[in-house]
Formats: sequence, structure tokens, C-alpha cells
Amino acid sequence: GAVVSQHPSRVICKSGTSVKIECRSLDFQATTMFWYRQFPKQSLMLMATSNEGSKATYEQGVEKDKFLINHASLTLSTLTVTSAHPEDSSFYICSARGDNFNQPQHFGDGTRLSIL
Amino acid sequence: AQTVTQSQPEMSVQEAETVTLSCTYDTSESDYYLFWYKQPPSRQMILVIRQEAYKQQNATENRFSVNFQKAAKSFSLKISDSQLGDAAMYFCAYRSAGTSGSRLTFGEGTQLTVNP
Repeated sequence: GAVVSQHPSRVICKSGTSVKIECRSLDFQATTMFWYRQFPKQSLMLMATSNEGSKATYEQGVEKDKFLINHASLTLSTLTVTSAHPEDSSFYICSARGDNFNQPQHFGDGTRLSIL
Repeated sequence: AQTVTQSQPEMSVQEAETVTLSCTYDTSESDYYLFWYKQPPSRQMILVIRQEAYKQQNATENRFSVNFQKAAKSFSLKISDSQLGDAAMYFCAYRSAGTSGSRLTFGEGTQLTVNP
């Protein structure tokens, strides 16, 4: 089946650091990728939707200058948390979908980000 | 906008018994998809089962089946012969059909405990 690889799985860094998370589709072309944030014992909150070669569409309340999303190829999207602070600590999950709108999204394994 | 509601934050079941998780949703659309995702402690999102709204027949996947009531906007998940490995957070999700329907809307989740 379709596989989405997300890296790194865990990041611990100091406040003020910028952190980049990669999301790769390994065996299909990901026309659209999604980035979610999840707090403990809560649901997934969609942060942004990105289409290959286009600017990402951010959900209301998500700072686009804080969470930079790049989707430069059909197999790679990156989320960069700029100047991270402790309140940015969370679990971030990406998902990807091909150009068949009827197919389900395939999720990465997530990244646990801890800002000290 | 569509909303998904899971009214049971926590559920428990004895091993080998059957449990039903509830989900209701609100939409004005006639064509859409519904999903149940499982998130074990590893936090990987695993697709359990999917239902197309235009299909009257309830979807089944081995021990997992749904009761889809379109008029009532209800989409419950039944797990038969529960196993210890079924313990996880379960999320109900909605997605519009067609070219504009790519984003998933998740419910709040139900934490399922399986007792030996």
C-alpha cells in the first residue's frame, strides 16, 4: 500500500531554534499534502493544505510566517517551525493524497516536537 | 461547514466481546465519505474502515463494521470479538466527495480500552 514517510520522529531543541519536518510519499505522487497538529488526548487539527507547486492554504488562526510549508515536488513537503517556543511543542502529522480525489489520505507516523 | 461529533470520550470492552463507538455528523452535502481511523499509542493513524455515502450497504472489514444511517447522519463503528490490540483512540472523520473534497474533518475521538 501507499507509504508516507515523516522525518524526524522526535525533535528536542532549544527555544528560538527553527525546526524542519519532512514528509515524503514513497510510492505515489502526492498532489496534495496536509499538515496537522495534535495535542495530547485531542483530535487532529488541520493546519494547512499544500498542493505541489502552489502556496499552502492555511487554516484560520494558523500563522503562516510561523509555520512555513513548502511543497516543491510531488513527493516532498516540508513544515518549518520558525523561532520555535515551548508553546509550539506538539505532535505534528502529515498526510498525502494523489490526484485521485476518491482515494483516502495516507498518514505519516508523526513528529513529536519538544521545545525547551 | 461540516462537523463531526463523537459523544463518547472513553469506552471499555472485555476481550472477545463487542463494542460500538458512536459518531454523528452534520452536513448539507449529499455525496461524501466517512472514515474510522485508529490511533494506537504509537500515534500512527491507521484507516480502519471507509463508507461512501451513496452506498446503502454498510461497509465491513473483518471484525469491524459500520452502521451508516444517512438520514440520521449517524456512522457508528462496531468491533466484534475485541482484541487487546484494538485498544486505541478511534477517530471518526468526514470528507466531501469530488474535486473540492480533499480535507478531512475529525471528531474529538473515543479512547477504547480492552480489558483482558
